[in-house]
Amino acid sequence: DAKTTQPPSMDCAEGRAANLPCNHSTISGNEYVYWYRQIHSQGPQYIIHGLKNNETNEMASLIITEDRKSSTLILPHATLRDTAVYYCIVRLFSGNTPLVFGKGTRLSVIA
Amino acid sequence: GAVVSQHPSRVICKSGTSVKIECRSLDFQATTMFWYRQFPKQSLMLMATSNEGSKATYEQGVEKDKFLINHASLTLSTLTVTSAHPEDSSFYICSATVGGGEQYFGPGTRLTVT
Repeated sequence: DAKTTQPPSMDCAEGRAANLPCNHSTISGNEYVYWYRQIHSQGPQYIIHGLKNNETNEMASLIITEDRKSSTLILPHATLRDTAVYYCIVRLFSGNTPLVFGKGTRLSVIA
Repeated sequence: GAVVSQHPSRVICKSGTSVKIECRSLDFQATTMFWYRQFPKQSLMLMATSNEGSKATYEQGVEKDKFLINHASLTLSTLTVTSAHPEDSSFYICSATVGGGEQYFGPGTRLTVT
């Protein structure tokens, strides 16, 4: 079962920052927070992951609270192509541990 | 780098026939591959975990005799849906990992059973 809770849907205006929240109150000390997204009828795409420090890459920023019970994915300047389902997943940093997907957040970027 | 391909991208077959889906890691050797299934408007559901040269581990409720998985090499895993029925129609997605934390996903295969 997924160990995360996300809002089912969100809207964001094009060009504005999209802030996607995720609750993971039962995360254990050695579990990472991963974010993937799935554009309609495609395979999931990796976005970012982190353990406890905030992370940033060319796609997004990941803000993890100090108690690690929640996190926020930030898309700084959302475009129409960012419309997708975003999944927040907690998982051990091990290639042999599969990603378990919850229901995710459907982000709609509106022109 | 880290590209995973699937073939075919979509397939239509008749009820009772078998269908094979290939998953390849194109530029890396995958220690482990995973197979997922996704029904319309639902999330991805893990079907099985596959390691090269060993038997796949299936999730509860997935029939191993119906969904045959062969992981013949470090770059190829196949999923065969045997005696397919309309309820097997779904989007099948594979992913591969090289041992680190990231999983790289294929583009998916849309199976329609008529």
